[in-house]
Amino acid sequence: AQTVTQSQPEMSVQEAETVTLSCTYDTSENNYYLFWYKQPPSRQMILVIRQEAYKQQNATENRFSVNFQKAAKSFSLKISDSQLGDTAMYFCAFMKRTSTGTASKLTFGTGTRLQVTL
Amino acid sequence: ETGVTQSPTHLIKTRGQQVTLRCSSQSGHNTVSWYQQALGQGPQFIFQYYREEENGRGNFPPRFSGLQFPNYSSELNVNALELDDSALYLCASSPIWAAPQREQFFGPGTRLTVL
Repeated sequence: AQTVTQSQPEMSVQEAETVTLSCTYDTSENNYYLFWYKQPPSRQMILVIRQEAYKQQNATENRFSVNFQKAAKSFSLKISDSQLGDTAMYFCAFMKRTSTGTASKLTFGTGTRLQVTL
Repeated sequence: ETGVTQSPTHLIKTRGQQVTLRCSSQSGHNTVSWYQQALGQGPQFIFQYYREEENGRGNFPPRFSGLQFPNYSSELNVNALELDDSALYLCASSPIWAAPQREQFFGPGTRLTVL
């Protein structure tokens, strides 16, 4: 079974600054995907960024980037130039790679509440 | 393109009752997953439907059941409701053109309160 740990329940950052959210995971699998999801007060879970474990290059999406350390089982999210709209709960999630037709479930951490302030 | 939709938005039931939650998957998606998110927690996987059959289940009792229809929409049914079933129920769909594990698109959820 996989577990995902987010050790920072809450974080705060000023607008335009950079913040890093931490995530560690435990698995015996070698092929998997890691995700960061954002859940604003509207409750809709939105995919922020995805990393495939077999890729050594860290994923980036505009102001969002990850630091993926496979041996350490660490997957942190860096948000640059923070904006007020980034205020939300952020969840780290793990998914084992499976063949088509086999259940592919997301295992989530407990989340980090990020507050962006003026 | 319409995203994942869920109904109702909110629901209040009493202990012992039964409830049905509905999810319309995003156009072109054939896989639907359901998650339960208790207050202050991350979502927990309930089950997944692919081609109208359950093809994976999390650690939830049999009173949690589901259906997927030919148009890929889905229902989550919960019988004999308990107070601990109070949660946000999220539906997520995955596209046909990619392996199911590539990405799951979430709906806005149904907030269920059991009194």
